[in-house]
Amino acid sequence: EAQVTQNPRYLITVTGKKLTVTCSQNMNHEYMSWYRQDPGLGLRQIYYSMNVEVTDKGDVPEGYKVSRKEKRNFPLILESPSPNQTSLYFCASSLSHRLNEQFFGPGTRLTVL
Amino acid sequence: AQTVTQSQPEMSVQEAETVTLSCTYDTSESDYYLFWYKQPPSRQMILVIRQEAYKQQNATENRFSVNFQKAAKSFSLKISDSQLGDAAMYFCAYRGYVIQGAQKLVFGQGTRLTINP
Repeated sequence: EAQVTQNPRYLITVTGKKLTVTCSQNMNHEYMSWYRQDPGLGLRQIYYSMNVEVTDKGDVPEGYKVSRKEKRNFPLILESPSPNQTSLYFCASSLSHRLNEQFFGPGTRLTVL
Repeated sequence: AQTVTQSQPEMSVQEAETVTLSCTYDTSESDYYLFWYKQPPSRQMILVIRQEAYKQQNATENRFSVNFQKAAKSFSLKISDSQLGDAAMYFCAYRGYVIQGAQKLVFGQGTRLTINP
């Protein structure tokens, strides 16, 4: 089944404790992206990757890192999480062609205390 | 930068009736794509309908249709014969025209739709 998976689905952590949210897709998609969803703000892009070893900042990249060492994986790294990073996070992927739909993962609910 | 605005934080409708969700956007591009996504309580993002800006004909998917007004930069979603399963958060989204490459979606704030039985 074609899908985007994220782990963990839920995470409660404390300020400053490094964490990684994994994202994996099995559709051989070139383009992958991370969004965060906050009430009243919709979804905003954090980082994106157009292919292996090619990443770039989105609209809200502060406090986040990403890497793209393999085509299928695009982890989101919070080196020193803070309470303002409490949010719902989505990974998405698509073929890079303009006509292609973005597929979203199931979301990760992160709470930073 | 492109922006998308959904001015209705919440809407409610009686089951079997019709409801329209509003969306306006701002862009200087002439070619782009517009989408409506549904987010049920499961939080999964589900694509409901898409519209390509160069197409004058409004997109339709079963009970879901859009009213695309390019000059007014308006993109409303009409849900006919509302069903309990339509209850969800709905997001309007914009994507610029790119042949290949970055495909950032710009989202509106969302509209929470409640269906009353």
